[in-house]
Amino acid sequence: DGGITQSPKYLFRKEGQNVTLSCEQNLNHDAMYWYRQDPGQGLRLIYYSQIVNDFQKGDIAEGYSVSREKKESFPLTVTSAQKNPTAFYLCASSTRQGGDYGYTFGSGTRLTVV
Amino acid sequence: QKEVEQNSGPLSVPEGAIASLNCTYSDRGSQSFFWYRQYSGKSPELIMFIYSNGDKEDGRFTAQLNKASQYVSLLIRDSQPSDSATYLCAVKGGGSQGNLIFGKGTKLSVKP
Repeated sequence: DGGITQSPKYLFRKEGQNVTLSCEQNLNHDAMYWYRQDPGQGLRLIYYSQIVNDFQKGDIAEGYSVSREKKESFPLTVTSAQKNPTAFYLCASSTRQGGDYGYTFGSGTRLTVV
Repeated sequence: QKEVEQNSGPLSVPEGAIASLNCTYSDRGSQSFFWYRQYSGKSPELIMFIYSNGDKEDGRFTAQLNKASQYVSLLIRDSQPSDSATYLCAVKGGGSQGNLIFGKGTKLSVKP
């Protein structure tokens, strides 16, 4: 079955540590996105990529980094520069048309700072 | 700044009633409109999309779009407790590369 897989489901980060969240899709989608969701808040766009080897900052890119070396993969690194990383992280993908048919979301990664 | 506004709720309706969820958007060039359902602790899932003015029905769900007034709504008929979730409205901005802009969601509670 085609879909989008995020791992791990839960992640714990110590202060000052970088962590990487995985996102893989087999939907043959060109575009991929990372969102952050805080309790009671909407989705805030971190980074997005419309094509391999290219990505753009979203509204809250500071303290995060991404890569897009393969069409199927769009990992997100939460760096030590992100001062408040505890949140629910969602990866999504869509066709090249920029979401004319909506986004497909992964199941999410819940990151907690310990 | 392109915005999508939703009443955060909670919206409480009795089982079997019609739930009406509303959304307004600021970008007049918006072309595509989506409703996502998000259960607590889970990721959003697409339940409806609409591109043209008027109504679109899918089972118990009806999406309504009025581009002149810049609002889109979702009606849920015969509401069930399993419909209790947060409903996110998303709007695709104008242009071929416009990303989806999400509202903060309306929390719906269906009481047995």
